[in-house]
Amino acid sequence: GNSVTQMEGPVTLSEEAFLTINCTYTATGYPSLFWYVQYPGEGLQLLLKATKADDKGSNKGFEATYRKETTSFHLEKGSVQVSDSAVYFCALSDQNFNKFYFGSGTKLNVKP
Amino acid sequence: GAGVSQSPRYKVAKRGQDVALRCDPISGHVSLFWYQQALGQGPEFLTYFQNEAQLDKSGLPSDRFFAERPEGSVSTLKIQRTQQEDSAVYLCASSSGSGANQPQHFGDGTRLSIL
Repeated sequence: GNSVTQMEGPVTLSEEAFLTINCTYTATGYPSLFWYVQYPGEGLQLLLKATKADDKGSNKGFEATYRKETTSFHLEKGSVQVSDSAVYFCALSDQNFNKFYFGSGTKLNVKP
Repeated sequence: GAGVSQSPRYKVAKRGQDVALRCDPISGHVSLFWYQQALGQGPEFLTYFQNEAQLDKSGLPSDRFFAERPEGSVSTLKIQRTQQEDSAVYLCASSSGSGANQPQHFGDGTRLSIL
């Protein structure tokens, strides 16, 4: 079956530090992969996506590369800001995009 | 606003009562999804509509859960004879079509508490 596993939080970093949030997946077929972000008091928002192997999704300085050989989609940012403090969810969709599977979320705290 | 709207934001019910949760998707969005999010967990898929057709309801946890979208716009998630384990945030999302190029837009959710 399909599932997503992401690193447990919270992750606490100082401003301008390098961020990695690990995400691995199990899937049948050829899923698409996503990172969603939930800022405090707000709803889930799509951060970035990748639809096939070796694709790199990027947005707002965040990047993630779809690695089929390691079944991973790790989220990275070179220099985090306080405003990046949020909960980050890794997700995959089945081939028809009708069903999405989310990880349990990783809370990021960035301190000034 | 132009986003996905869910109501009520909070709902408290006694065990055994029936509840109805409403979702107003973004106007013109074809696809509509319901998710259940337990505390500290990610959203779990419940059901999916394309227009008024319910194409996938495999995530509904029991026959006490029922969803409808009769005119292809507003959707209602109904839970009958609520149980304490139904306590969660229920999220609705809509998109303009299927495919990864059409992102899901999420509402703020309805927080359901069963006493």
